[in-house]
Amino acid sequence: AQSVTQPDIHITVSEGASLELRCNYSYGATPYLFWYVQSPGQGLQLLLKYFSGDTLVQGIKGFEAEFKRSQSSFNLRKPSVHWSDAAEYFCAVGAVTGGGADGLTFGKGTHLIIQP
Amino acid sequence: EPEVTQTPSHQVTQMGQEVILRCVPISNHLYFYWYRQILGQKVEFLVSFYNNEISEKSEIFDDQFSVERPDGSNFTLKIRSTKLEDSAMYFCASNGQYTDTQYFGPGTRLTVL
Repeated sequence: AQSVTQPDIHITVSEGASLELRCNYSYGATPYLFWYVQSPGQGLQLLLKYFSGDTLVQGIKGFEAEFKRSQSSFNLRKPSVHWSDAAEYFCAVGAVTGGGADGLTFGKGTHLIIQP
Repeated sequence: EPEVTQTPSHQVTQMGQEVILRCVPISNHLYFYWYRQILGQKVEFLVSFYNNEISEKSEIFDDQFSVERPDGSNFTLKIRSTKLEDSAMYFCASNGQYTDTQYFGPGTRLTVL
């Protein structure tokens, strides 16, 4: 069965500092990997996704993530965080189906706190 | 930009009552999903729907739950007899025929008293 582990429940960084949120996955086949962000009381917004090809993917709001197959990781990074980045971040994995109806498996999320 | 919408944003109900949560997926999408997120916990997959039938469902999606696409635009989740533990945020999502990217709605917060 597939699973996603986000080992950091909370992370606190200073505004302007760099950020890395960790995500490890377990999946038997080629995975689809996603990062979603959830602001308080809001829905899930897609930050970026990896399907295949270049292992470094760029997303919205200046985020990027790197897929490392050997480490089963898909860590999210941002070089300089802004106070508006404070939110809950979810890593998710799904099946590569070329358009299909497989449910995503989410990690437990990492709560990002930005210090002034 | 097209988006998934959900109504109501907040639903309060008494234990044992039936509730219907409504979603309008992105118009040209063909695959539809429901997820739930109990307060403070991770998002969990409930069910996926394609071509007017359930494609996949999780162990959470028991006989108390049902889904329907009553017309060309709406996608609903019905809980027949709500329990306290059904209190959660329920998210609808959809994706198109040639993409595996699921787009999520803003959610409906269900509170069962």
